[in-house]
Amino acid sequence: GESVGLHLPTLSVQEGDNSIINCAYSNSASDYFIWYKQESGKGPQFIIDIRSNMDKRQGQRVTVLLNKTVKHLSLQIAATQPGDSAVYFCAEALPPGAQKLVFGQGTRLTINP
Amino acid sequence: DSGVTQTPKHLITATGQRVTLRCSPRSGDLSVYWYQQSLDQGLQFLIQYYNGEERAKGNILERFSAQQFPDLHSELNLSSLELGDSALYFCASSALSGNTIYFGEGSWLTVV
Repeated sequence: GESVGLHLPTLSVQEGDNSIINCAYSNSASDYFIWYKQESGKGPQFIIDIRSNMDKRQGQRVTVLLNKTVKHLSLQIAATQPGDSAVYFCAEALPPGAQKLVFGQGTRLTINP
Repeated sequence: DSGVTQTPKHLITATGQRVTLRCSPRSGDLSVYWYQQSLDQGLQFLIQYYNGEERAKGNILERFSAQQFPDLHSELNLSSLELGDSALYFCASSALSGNTIYFGEGSWLTVV
C-alpha cells in the first residue's frame, strides 16, 4: 500500500550547520515528491519538489535527493537558521499527478543557537 | 502567504452539529484539495475538485461532503460532528491537477 515514512521524528542541529532530513517511501510507482515546511499554527509551505526522472534538485539553501533504488528521499538544508525550525513533511504522489499526495508523519527540526 | 484563503480560522462547536469551512484558491488555480491534520493521523487527504468536478477521493467520511462552485471557491461541510473530528482542516490549490499544491493557513475545528 501507499505509505511514506520518516526515519527520525526529531532533529536538532546547531545554527549554521547543515541538516539532513530523511524520508522513505514504499510505492515504487510514485513519480513526484514534495517537501513541505510547517511552522506552528501555519499551513504547510512548499519548499521544493522533484520528479522521478531526476535524482537531485537544488533550491535556495535546500537540496532534495531522490534514490529510487532504495526508495529514499532526503532534504538537505544548508547553513541552518533559527527560522528553519519547523516540522518538515515529505509527500509522494502517484501518477498521473499530485491529486492524492501521501504525507509522512513529519520531522521536527530544532535549530539550537 | 500562499494565496489560498480559508475561513473561519477557528471554530468551536458542539457534538452533533454541522459546520461549513470555506476556501478560496489562489487566483487562476482550478484544482482545490481538502486535507485533515490531527495529532495522531498526520495530514490526510480528503478530497479534490477540479474546475467544479470531483477528481479524487481520499479518506473522507460519509458525514463530510465538499463542493467547488463556478467561481472556483470550495466548501467542506462537516455534519453530525464527533469529538474525533477536532482537527486542522487545510485547503490547498494548484493550477492544474497534478501541479504543485499550495496550502492555506487552515481552519481549526474544535468539537466539544
